Amino acid sequence: SQQGEEDPQALSIQEGENATMNCSYKTSINNLQWYRQNSGRGLVHLILIRSNEREKHSGRLRVTLDTSKKSSSLLITASRAADTASYFCATVPSGYSTLTFGKGTMLLVSP
Amino acid sequence: GEEVAQTPKHLVRGEGQKAKLYCAPIKGHSYVFWYQQVLKNEFKFLISFQNENVFDETGMPKERFSAKCLPNSPCSLEIQATKLEDSAVYFCASSPGTVNYGYTFGSGTRLTVV
Repeated sequence: SQQGEEDPQALSIQEGENATMNCSYKTSINNLQWYRQNSGRGLVHLILIRSNEREKHSGRLRVTLDTSKKSSSLLITASRAADTASYFCATVPSGYSTLTFGKGTMLLVSP
Repeated sequence: GEEVAQTPKHLVRGEGQKAKLYCAPIKGHSYVFWYQQVLKNEFKFLISFQNENVFDETGMPKERFSAKCLPNSPCSLEIQATKLEDSAVYFCASSPGTVNYGYTFGSGTRLTVV
């Protein structure tokens, strides 16, 4: 069953602006991951943050995790048109071993 | 190879026909996962394998769906007697492990049941 809920469902920004997406989940987790899906393509793994980590960076991506609030955020800095895609959070619930995905945030970056 | 290869890219079947989808995981990845994505929305987990063995089949519909991962062959997902509601994109992913690893996804097979 679905574990994560992304917010907002859709986000439209201009190139150069920052984009922030949020994810909330329901049960305790081993880790939380973010993926990107370009139209008509498969998911691309962006970043994994473990339950004992609070923040992680990868290039222009910054992910935070607050296990007390069961939430995570993905920040994309200095966005580019090529960042236009759907972004999904996914969790591996504790005691379980398979990723479960949220419904995604659709990001549109206009030149 | 370094990518998960799924074939075919598109598959059209009449209601009641059989559909068979294939997935070649990344060499060295022990785990294979199948997900179903309907209408570009959430990904529904179907089944996973650890090598040739079923690892988790909690998402697999009991009827009509079956899957295999045999040695030296692509993994397969088969749908017997397809229904209109089976129309979706089916994604395969592979991973070296389960818990603290990212998955590498293929580009998917779009199944259209008419």
